[in-house]
Amino acid sequence: GAVVSQHPSRVICKSGTSVKIECRSLDFQATTMFWYRQFPKQSLMLMATSNEGSKATYEQGVEKDKFLINHASLTLSTLTVTSAHPEDSSFYICSARDPPGRIGYSPLHFGNGTRLTVT
Amino acid sequence: AQSVTQLGSHVSVSEGALVLLRCNYSSSVPPYLFWYVQYPNQGLQLLLKYTTGATLVKGINGFEAEFKKSETSFHLTKPSAHMSDAAEYFCAVSDHPGTASKLTFGTGTRLQVTL
Repeated sequence: GAVVSQHPSRVICKSGTSVKIECRSLDFQATTMFWYRQFPKQSLMLMATSNEGSKATYEQGVEKDKFLINHASLTLSTLTVTSAHPEDSSFYICSARDPPGRIGYSPLHFGNGTRLTVT
Repeated sequence: AQSVTQLGSHVSVSEGALVLLRCNYSSSVPPYLFWYVQYPNQGLQLLLKYTTGATLVKGINGFEAEFKKSETSFHLTKPSAHMSDAAEYFCAVSDHPGTASKLTFGTGTRLQVTL
């Protein structure tokens, strides 16, 4: 079945540095990927929609200059947290949607998430 | 705008007992409804979905949910809980199943299964 791989699973960085998180669709092409943020014991909040070959669409209240999204190919989207601060510590999850008509179509396939801790 | 409300942030059941996780939705168009499960420090796994057709939907791991338009509900059930069912469960809604459609998630229900 379709798999979305997210890397790294955990990262600890110092305040002021930048961190890049990768999201790959392993056996299908994803023109659209989604980035979510999840605070402890809370739901997933959509941060942005990543579109292959074009600019990402950010949700209201999400700083596009802080959370840089690049979707350079049909199988890879990256989220870079720039100048990270402790309040950016969170669980980040990416997802990608099967193209229509694919066997086993389901709405979204999720990566296993990245636990970011900023010290 | 669409939304989902999950009643009960924590549900505890005994092993072998019925599991009932509640979800009510709000949507101005026919909704597409989903239940996802999340294990600690992992992403989400689709349990089941309702798009069109039969209102009783069967999913993986013995779970099922029934779409009730009159009650705007999509409650998740399982006849007999297993210890491995302990996880966080999210109900979600979207307005269409297209490639770029977004999911709106509920706040989640943590299921605890006791011996």
